[in-house]
Amino acid sequence: DAGVIQSPRHEVTEMGQEVTLRCKPISGHNSLFWYRQTMMRGLELLIYFNNNVPIDDSGMPEDRFSAKMPNASFSTLKIQPSEPRDSAVYFCASSPLSGVSEQFFGPGTRLTVL
Amino acid sequence: QQQVKQSPQSLIVQKGGIPIINCAYENTAFDYFPWYQQFPGKGPALLIAIRPDVSEKKEGRFTISFNKSAKQFSLHIMDSQPGDSATYFCAARAPPVSGKLIFGQGTTLQVKP
Repeated sequence: DAGVIQSPRHEVTEMGQEVTLRCKPISGHNSLFWYRQTMMRGLELLIYFNNNVPIDDSGMPEDRFSAKMPNASFSTLKIQPSEPRDSAVYFCASSPLSGVSEQFFGPGTRLTVL
Repeated sequence: QQQVKQSPQSLIVQKGGIPIINCAYENTAFDYFPWYQQFPGKGPALLIAIRPDVSEKKEGRFTISFNKSAKQFSLHIMDSQPGDSATYFCAARAPPVSGKLIFGQGTTLQVKP
């Protein structure tokens, strides 16, 4: 199994630009999570989906952030417009819906907003 | 009540030492407590996990001690090695059972040769 796949691995953009991060979960996993990691705030859950349906988006910092999961094998996290304070590493993780809650993390996307 | 508090923020030990990382929680409805290990440039990966009906769980050199009455749990790394240098996160599964994990702030461990 290829594990969770994220793209791009690195993204450098200018303030005000739209940024789209992509995630392919592990096949057969029903839950998908988007996290943001910074030195100051640690690992923050932004949003998660069960069976492609958003369950909890209380961690999304503001309306500039949006996430979609159009099917079981693909999700996007979009920031529009981006700001320098959005610079962070964004992780996608997936897990089976039933049973234990082990989450399998992708390698992350390092976002730098200039 | 949904928080998991982790300490210390950073830790330096000599090879062979036994680093201990502590976590505390408030919500007694939490029912699953994993530890994740993260190496630089990588995503976190599950290291070991425990349920609250067990007081201790050991996997290799890694041990979780769980104190339900005190609402605390800790990770011990026996005979620590330089390869154990990483960031460690404790977490707790949030009710209702949904797969959502609440993570601690993380502890950066350095094991000196």
